[in-house]
Formats: sequence, C-alpha cells, structure tokens
Amino acid sequence: DIQMTQSPSAMSASVGDRVTITCRASQGISNSLAWFQQKPGKVPKRLIYSASSLQSGVPSRFSGSGSGTEFTLTISSLQPEDFATYYCLQHYTYPRTFGQGTKVEVK
Amino acid sequence: EVQVVESGGGLVQPGGSLRLSCAASGFTFSSSAMSWVRQAPGKGLEWVSTISGGGLGTYYADSVKGRFTISRDNSKNTLYLQMSSLRAEDTALYYCTDGDQAKWGQGALVTVSS
Repeated sequence: DIQMTQSPSAMSASVGDRVTITCRASQGISNSLAWFQQKPGKVPKRLIYSASSLQSGVPSRFSGSGSGTEFTLTISSLQPEDFATYYCLQHYTYPRTFGQGTKVEVK
Repeated sequence: EVQVVESGGGLVQPGGSLRLSCAASGFTFSSSAMSWVRQAPGKGLEWVSTISGGGLGTYYADSVKGRFTISRDNSKNTLYLQMSSLRAEDTALYYCTDGDQAKWGQGALVTVSS
C-alpha cells in the first residue's frame, strides 16, 4: 500500500501568512493527488485535483504543485475562513490513502 | 444540482450488520465510480471502498475487506454499503462520494457498541 505522510501535522499561522503543507508518497504516484479542506463539523471539500488543478469555485490563493512522491499545497495569503484541517489523497492506485491531516490554527 | 444523500446509519451491536444507502442525483450516476469514505470521531479521513460505474470493479480497504460489500443499483441511482461483523473500530461517520471525491454527502453515523 502507498503511505501518504503530511507535514506538519499542525501549524499556527496568522491572517495574511503564506502557508505551505507538504505530502510525501511512499512511492511514485505521478500527479494523482488531491487536496481537501475540512472545517469542524463540516463535510470535506476538494480544493485541488491532479496535483495542481484548482477545483471550480475555489479561491485562487490555493495552489498545488508536485509530482512523483512530493507534493505541496500553498495558501498564498491566509484568510480567516481558511483555518481548517487539510488532507491529501492519492488516487493513483487502490487502496486509496489519505494523509493524516494538517490542522491550521490561529496564531 | 448535484446531490448525494446517505441513509441507514444507526447503533448496532458488535458482530452485527447494517446497510448504508446513498441516493444520488444531478449527475450521470451510471457513468461515475462511487466511493465510501469514513471518519472516526476526532480522527482523519479513511477511504473504505470504491465501485466502478458498471459495478463490475470493486475495491476495499484492508480494514474492511471480507466484512463490507459495496454495490450499486444504477436503475435507482443508489449506492450501497453492506457492513457485517461490525467492530467498535468501525464507529464513524460514513460519507458517500463520487469516485474522485469531488461530491460528498453529509454522512451517515454508524455506532458499534453494546
């Protein structure tokens, strides 16, 4: 099975900060990676698919990059509504695997 | 408008069975792979199972293989998850999603407890 390792597991940031979250795959997955945002008590929301394609309706301050085994989600200027937990998911092969999550908290 | 709506959650004793349903609308259901993803209380997301659009391809997480069965009825635009030999660690909110996890339901809570 492919293991997905996210870092950091939690971080504190301020409004306006540039935030970067990393996801590493235990083996190459091409660009078959998606990023999700989940707020407390809410349904997860897909932000990015195929590593760098922005989901329709998602603000352009979110971007994704990477291929192979290392991937990055970047929030260019953190907004109050962006405090949430973020997950990566590899959809290269079965079983699908999520990262353990990165909680972005208020500094 | 795209909608997926889960039903069938509830409280079940360890070793028991439960069937979840997911009614889909607003997209071509028969052409779309569909999945179940779960989230235990206070924990992260865990992929559970996926079924191809035609229903011939099914895939499972090791944690549920042999105990859970995914199926679909394309004439009813409905996805199912038959869960048996349930364990306490299966307690979670079960989300129905499309195959790409672009569309999510609100989730069905399954609690396994005596």
